[in-house]
Amino acid sequence: EPEVTQTPSHQVTQMGQEVILRCVPISNHLYFYWYRQILGQKVEFLVSFYNNEISEKSEIFDDQFSVERPDGSNFTLKIRSTKLEDSAMYFCASRAGRGVASTDTQYFGPGTRLTVL
Amino acid sequence: AQSVTQLDSHVSVSEGTPVLLRCNYSSSYSPSLFWYVQHPNKGLQLLLKYTSAATLVKGINGFEAEFKKSETSFHLTKPSAHMSDAAEYFCVVTFTGGGNKLTFGTGTQLKVEL
Repeated sequence: EPEVTQTPSHQVTQMGQEVILRCVPISNHLYFYWYRQILGQKVEFLVSFYNNEISEKSEIFDDQFSVERPDGSNFTLKIRSTKLEDSAMYFCASRAGRGVASTDTQYFGPGTRLTVL
Repeated sequence: AQSVTQLDSHVSVSEGTPVLLRCNYSSSYSPSLFWYVQHPNKGLQLLLKYTSAATLVKGINGFEAEFKKSETSFHLTKPSAHMSDAAEYFCVVTFTGGGNKLTFGTGTQLKVEL
């Protein structure tokens, strides 16, 4: 069964450093998402991406964050200058897409645990 | 705006007894509702979804949920709990035309005891 994969599973970085989190969505999917879950808190939407551009972003997704689909398979989340409060589990998700119908399921990857020291 | 409220942060049941995880939603539009499960150190797995078809939705591993518009609820049930059901469960809402961003509840930790 196709699945969303994410690398690395765990990333440790120093405050102020740049990190890139990588995701490989399911191959025929058109819509891509990043969510995060700070320890002990609920999963929060960060950004959605379609047709090589951001379609929606949350207040959390400030100028320190960017997303990119550099090739036909990868979908990346970059944090330019990490802060302590960026420590969280980051989930990538993808959806097949039939227009904007919400009936499509979002399939989640296993997550990348980011620890900022 | 859309939101979900999971009424219990922790639920503990004995193996073989029924499970009830409660969820109430708020949405300005016709919602789609989901339950996801997260086992320790694993990703989020879809259990079931409601998308304006049948109000009683059957999912994987014997779970069901019923959409009740009058009560704005989408409670998750299972007749008989197994040890393997111990996990965190998230009620999630989205709506058509909303870009499909998912709004998660705070989660319910299900503990299953012998």
